[in-house]
Amino acid sequence: DTAVSQTPKYLVTQMGNDKSIKCEQNLGHDTMYWYKQDSKKFLKIMFSYNNKELIINETVPNRFSPKSPDKAHLNLHINSLELGDSAVYFCASSLRVGIQYFGAGTRLSVL
Amino acid sequence: GQQLNQSPQSMFIQEGEDVSMNCTSSSIFNTWLWYKQDPGEGPVLLIALYKAGELTSNGRLTAQFGITRKDSFLNISASIPSDVGIYFCAGQLAGAQKLVFGQGTRLTINP
Repeated sequence: DTAVSQTPKYLVTQMGNDKSIKCEQNLGHDTMYWYKQDSKKFLKIMFSYNNKELIINETVPNRFSPKSPDKAHLNLHINSLELGDSAVYFCASSLRVGIQYFGAGTRLSVL
Repeated sequence: GQQLNQSPQSMFIQEGEDVSMNCTSSSIFNTWLWYKQDPGEGPVLLIALYKAGELTSNGRLTAQFGITRKDSFLNISASIPSDVGIYFCAGQLAGAQKLVFGQGTRLTINP
């Protein structure tokens, strides 16, 4: 059983399109996160939800909109995709701040 | 934003050698974590540290929480090919709801 699963694993799309990435965790955790990993492998937090409530919203363009329908799911919708959005996006979850469990990542390529 | 300085950025070693990497900050952390990321995967937790001076081992890996609470190091003894990957330190500031990640150390092993 995969603890934190993201779909799709690969996403190739044209500039200007809208796309979504889904994340689900079966660990019973209350908190979920979205990270962006750039080409230099730097991990930067984007959003965090605790029990469906947004608790962290870093300086991210408002083209990115997270949605948490329940505490086991956190989806990321991106409008009007730009070349600079190309990166690997990771979902993570935790029972408390500290130990976070990561998904395998979604590799987004914007052409 | 808050940053962790992780060094070295990359290491090229021979199989069987010991490895040492560290993270430093100007701020005091409550928790230090060490993760490993394999190619095409998400980061996986290796060791978690919660107290200043704490020394914790996980097989051939040993990590320490610095006495000043501003640094941590990770040692890998007798490296093997499967140790190849990117190692990240991460820290949690007191009262913070997120982790801060280091820039990563890319480990390459020559057989």
